[in-house]
Amino acid sequence: EDQVTQSPEALRLQEGESSSLNCSYTVSGLRGLFWYRQDPGKGPEFLFTLYSAGEEKEKERLKATLTKKESFLHITAPKPEDSATYLCAVQATNQAGTALIFGKGTTLSVSS
Amino acid sequence: NAGVTQTPKFQVLKTGQSMTLQCAQDMNHNSMYWYRQDPGMGLRLIYYSASEGTTDKGEVPNGYNVSRLNKREFSLRLESAAPSQTSVYFCASSGGFVSNQPQHFGDGTRLSIL
Repeated sequence: EDQVTQSPEALRLQEGESSSLNCSYTVSGLRGLFWYRQDPGKGPEFLFTLYSAGEEKEKERLKATLTKKESFLHITAPKPEDSATYLCAVQATNQAGTALIFGKGTTLSVSS
Repeated sequence: NAGVTQTPKFQVLKTGQSMTLQCAQDMNHNSMYWYRQDPGMGLRLIYYSASEGTTDKGEVPNGYNVSRLNKREFSLRLESAAPSQTSVYFCASSGGFVSNQPQHFGDGTRLSIL
């Protein structure tokens, strides 16, 4: 069964304290892995797509990496405005069309 | 640039009532999706439309129907609402059905069924 697991469920950081969020996945064939950011009361906002092991993408203080079994979202020197829930999703080759399988998310809180 | 627009933003229904959630996108995307998000469950796919004129079931379709009205609009209907359908509903769209282009989401409809 295709599955996506994110850890930790919640993470509290001090401003400037770097850390990483984990997304582990089990799929028969990976077509793509997606990271989203979701603010309270809003829809998920697209951040990155990763397609193959070894690939990396960066945007401001965020860097996403991909291996054959997991992806990491590294947050360097976070600021309070980085507080949000981060969602990971995979698109598997045996899924109909472009259906995404989502993890439950990691809620990040950054305090000043 | 509106992206994906959902209406209404909030709704309260009584058990047994019917309702249609509306979604429109202005990105000229071919594919559209309906998800529900529940605490501790993550986002789950209800129905999707690969292209105008086609619809198909996702992971949790029971109790829902959809209509792809045109390329821009994709509606979700609850024929006889049940308390188990209390959730936040998100509409999304993407450029290609076969390709792995990202999905872009609206801000959701928060639905409570009493």
